[in-house]
Parts: sequence; C-alpha cells; structure tokens
Amino acid sequence: DAKTTQPNSMESNEEEPVHLPCNHSTISGTDYIHWYRQLPSQGPEYVIHGLTSNVNNRMASLAIAEDRKSSTLILHRATLRDAAVYYCILKAAGAGSYQLTFGKGTKLSVIP
Amino acid sequence: EADIYQTPRYLVIGTGKKITLECSQTMGHDKMYWYQQDPGMELHLIHYSYGVNSTEKGDLSSESTVSRIRTEHFPLTLESARPSHTSQYLCASSESGKLNTEAFFGQGTRLTVV
Repeated sequence: DAKTTQPNSMESNEEEPVHLPCNHSTISGTDYIHWYRQLPSQGPEYVIHGLTSNVNNRMASLAIAEDRKSSTLILHRATLRDAAVYYCILKAAGAGSYQLTFGKGTKLSVIP
Repeated sequence: EADIYQTPRYLVIGTGKKITLECSQTMGHDKMYWYQQDPGMELHLIHYSYGVNSTEKGDLSSESTVSRIRTEHFPLTLESARPSHTSQYLCASSESGKLNTEAFFGQGTRLTVV
C-alpha cells in the first residue's frame, strides 16, 4: 500500500492560514488523496479529497502537486476549533479499497 | 451531520464481564468498520463488513467479535473483558465500491476494564 508522510506537529496563530503538507511519493495513478481530522475526544471527520486537480470546499482547500507525489491541506483562517490531528490518507483501488488506513497524522495547535 | 451512533459513550466494567458495543447508521451504507485507538495513538482497523452476513478481521488482531444481521447495525462483542481491552472503539460506515466517497465516524466508546 502507498504510504504517506506528515510532520508530527505544527503550530499556527489564530486567524492565520495553515498549510499542512503530506508526502506520498509512491502514489499510484488511481489513488485518491483523502484528508480527515480528529478533534479531541471525537471520532475522525472527513475534510476533503482529490485525485489530480486542486479542490475547495467549505472547510479547506487541497492543493495537489503536478506529479501527485505530495499534497497540501490549506486552512485559510485557522480558528481554535481547528486544533486537531489531521490525517492524510491514500485510498487505492483493488482489495481493501474501502478501507482507510490511518497513520500518525499531524497534530495542529492553534495559538490564540 | 453524520447519522452514525455509538452507545455507550463511556463504559467502565469489571474483568471477565461480557460487553457489547453498539453501532448504528441510518445512511443505508453497506460498508461498516470498527477501529481501536489508544490515547494519543493511531487508529487501527479491527473489523469490517461488506454488508449483511459479511464480516472480516482487520489489520490489528482483536479478541472481539462482530456481527452484521441488519444493514444498519454492527455491534462489537467482548466475551470476557480484560484490562488490556481498555481503549477507545470507533465505528464508521461508507458507501460501497467508491474511492471518492467519505467515511462517517461515530463519537466512539471509551472502554475501561478494571
């Protein structure tokens, strides 16, 4: 399975933009890039996903490198409620395609 | 708002007791999953189901068992709880067969075995 690499932790000031990086150098052509986040004492929640093109939704933006070997989750204006662990996950076709395999993620701290 | 529910949210129980953690979803999803997560650690898949009467073990070995008699219901059972079972258990569901759909997670059950 293709793996992802994320920094263990990041800090951001409140109301500043945050760029959370993810490396996935062994990604295959049909793998989707998914991002989830887990707030303290909660289950994970979906943030965004993409295949090749950059994506925007009400929560965040996803910028995907042209070679697809890396991606960046962008929170345009961090709030205290965005403090969470952010997971970058590849969803691959084939056996196990329905599964989400979580790594350690990036713990985002937001400073007031 | 996710329509997936887990009960109880918190459970403290003595060693040797049988417990069942409940998980229900109202979205008609075929795929359902159980994850185990220790504090500050990664989520590990312990069970999953493709649909009714289908269950499989996940990547992390677990002494728990699951059943899927109805689409909406995916309970997890521990026949004899031990302190090593103390953990958070998270249930999730998703539509089948698609790479570009999201999974929905419940709030989790935090189990403590004393």
